[in-house]
Amino acid sequence: DAGITQSPRHKVTETGTPVTLRCHQTENHRYMYWYRQDPGHGLRLIHYSYGVKDTDKGEVSDGYSVSRSKTEDFLLTLESATSSQTSVYFCAISVGQQWREAFFGQGTRLTVV
Amino acid sequence: ILNVEQSPQSLHVQEGDSTNFTCSFPSSNFYALHWYRWETAKSPEALFVMTLNGDEKKKGRISATLNTKEGYSYLYIKGSQPEDSATYLCASYSGGSNYKLTFGKGTLLTVNP
Repeated sequence: DAGITQSPRHKVTETGTPVTLRCHQTENHRYMYWYRQDPGHGLRLIHYSYGVKDTDKGEVSDGYSVSRSKTEDFLLTLESATSSQTSVYFCAISVGQQWREAFFGQGTRLTVV
Repeated sequence: ILNVEQSPQSLHVQEGDSTNFTCSFPSSNFYALHWYRWETAKSPEALFVMTLNGDEKKKGRISATLNTKEGYSYLYIKGSQPEDSATYLCASYSGGSNYKLTFGKGTLLTVNP
């Protein structure tokens, strides 16, 4: 356990509404990531952060934005949720350097209806 | 190989059987290869991180090997137990300034008692 907490754990929202998912870590790790997990696709990187206010896009970033104003919090926002964003979202951190193993949060199951 | 590919997609074995899975990854710009174990309703957990050609890692009945020149890694489970049932993910980290940890789609292992 690398002290990662995701909130909420489950959410149902309507199409077109904004949604923010929170990832909180307690150990001041530099690198944080948001992934989504979908059947047939495995884990795909949405956005990542390499420090406060330093973020970059992953392979499936369209429709998502992120913010990291404090080391411990990495927020993922769906500006206007669509049904295609129904998924399980995982936050992760890597300890020390980027190439080291990732530690994952518990996941957030998001349903867009 | 452009993506990380895992085979087989799924595998059913009997308790006590030994089994192995394959992960193929791009050998250019390779930096590290990760293996994760992902149990249903939980988060992925790292098993191994390997960086050097010829690396072999072992944890209990599970071991892994790495061939960076030809771009593949094998995960072996000796004497499978029902508690080994999980999805096994591999991920390849490519070097450079940008985070590039790419996951395969996983191998789902079911061990029947």
